[in-house]
Amino acid sequence: DTAVSQTPKYLVTQMGNDKSIKCEQNLGHDTMYWYKQDSKKFLKIMFSYNNKELIINETVPNRFSPKSPDKAHLNLHINSLELGDSAVYFCASSQRSRGFNQPQHFGDGTRLSIL
Amino acid sequence: KQEVTQIPAALSVPEGENLVLNCSFTDSAIYNLQWFRQDPGKGLTSLLLIQSSQREQTSGRLNASLDKSSGRSTLYIAASQPGDSATYLCAVRGDDKIIFGKGTRLHILP
Repeated sequence: DTAVSQTPKYLVTQMGNDKSIKCEQNLGHDTMYWYKQDSKKFLKIMFSYNNKELIINETVPNRFSPKSPDKAHLNLHINSLELGDSAVYFCASSQRSRGFNQPQHFGDGTRLSIL
Repeated sequence: KQEVTQIPAALSVPEGENLVLNCSFTDSAIYNLQWFRQDPGKGLTSLLLIQSSQREQTSGRLNASLDKSSGRSTLYIAASQPGDSATYLCAVRGDDKIIFGKGTRLHILP
């Protein structure tokens, strides 16, 4: 009964490949997020979707393309992977319609390593 | 632009001692402030959430305070245990964004 689940948990791939990370939440939330945690452990928001619409895009390269087929899913597709993409990617969700004071719930992260 | 700073970056404390972790933010227009714990190689665990109208929240041995006007929050851990060793992250919410600090790595010495 995991609230926010991400797959895969680990992803090791070569430079230049295209890969996807999936995220699903069963909390009934209307907003989902992707965060990136770099090698220095700094967490920074990348994207936010509310009811399948993009509301935040934080100067992320075009190689990153989020896709939200429905409110419960927000997948992250990355083209032409580069060494600098190695990081931990966290998915989160919240109920934005109840206000910005609602907490965000995080998944366990996907550890992406580029060889 | 909101900036969140956590001091110190790392802290080692003997078991049993009480300790305080600090978080400061530059823009006081926040909706809430949240403290998270992150164990090595793991995800984020939410510890305490303080709404902008509140001054503190308590959960077990943890107490978080918020002084919005001065842009400060503290996380107080009482009677520290080796299991408290982790990285503690402070995050402030403004509109749609959560801005994280860089964390304090806490090591409790047995």
